[in-house]
Amino acid sequence: GQNIDQPTEMTATEGAIVQINCTYQTSGFNGLFWYQQHAGEAPTFLSYNVLDGLEEKGRFSSFLSRSKGYSYLLLKELQMKDSASYLCAVRIYGSSNTGKLIFGQGTTLQVKP
Amino acid sequence: GAVVSQHPSWVICKSGTSVKIECRSLDFQATTMFWYRQFPKQSLMLMATSNEGSKATYEQGVEKDKFLINHASLTLSTLTVTSAHPEDSSFYICSAVNRLLTYNEQFFGPGTRLTVL
Repeated sequence: GQNIDQPTEMTATEGAIVQINCTYQTSGFNGLFWYQQHAGEAPTFLSYNVLDGLEEKGRFSSFLSRSKGYSYLLLKELQMKDSASYLCAVRIYGSSNTGKLIFGQGTTLQVKP
Repeated sequence: GAVVSQHPSWVICKSGTSVKIECRSLDFQATTMFWYRQFPKQSLMLMATSNEGSKATYEQGVEKDKFLINHASLTLSTLTVTSAHPEDSSFYICSAVNRLLTYNEQFFGPGTRLTVL
């Protein structure tokens, strides 16, 4: 089976740094994605890791350790608009050789003034 | 480009009727599209993978005769919820893969909120 775990909720203060963890156990692995989703809207792409290490993109960074089945998303200089759900998703290849995403349950982040 | 549209954005229907949802890639060709369902405060659950010109691949537990998927062109996939019931009320989101981009990442449509009375 496929299993992807994230904390359900997190709270942080404006201007601070927050780290959202994700652990996974999947049959196959072809990259890990982080998406941001505001309520009632579609997810938007934040980052992608396929090799071990840290990928930095402005205020957002994502880390991957394939041997540990572990990733985190780091958000710096938090802003009120960062309040959203953050989805961790692992890409695996299905029987038709088409990559598909398996999503974690999402972490709802609330940023407070 | 990576814009995906869905139509309608919301729909209310009576129990027993069928509803069609369209997913279009506006500025790129998508040989593969995906359909997801998202219940309130839950994450996205993959329903099926839609490949242009071939039959869709459904995830375990998804009834293919109830959720009909057609991917007749490189820019359009449709999901038809047949004989809808209140338990089918959900947020349906499609995504499309732009293989010309580095990560082959999926780009999501804005979603369709279905309410079955």
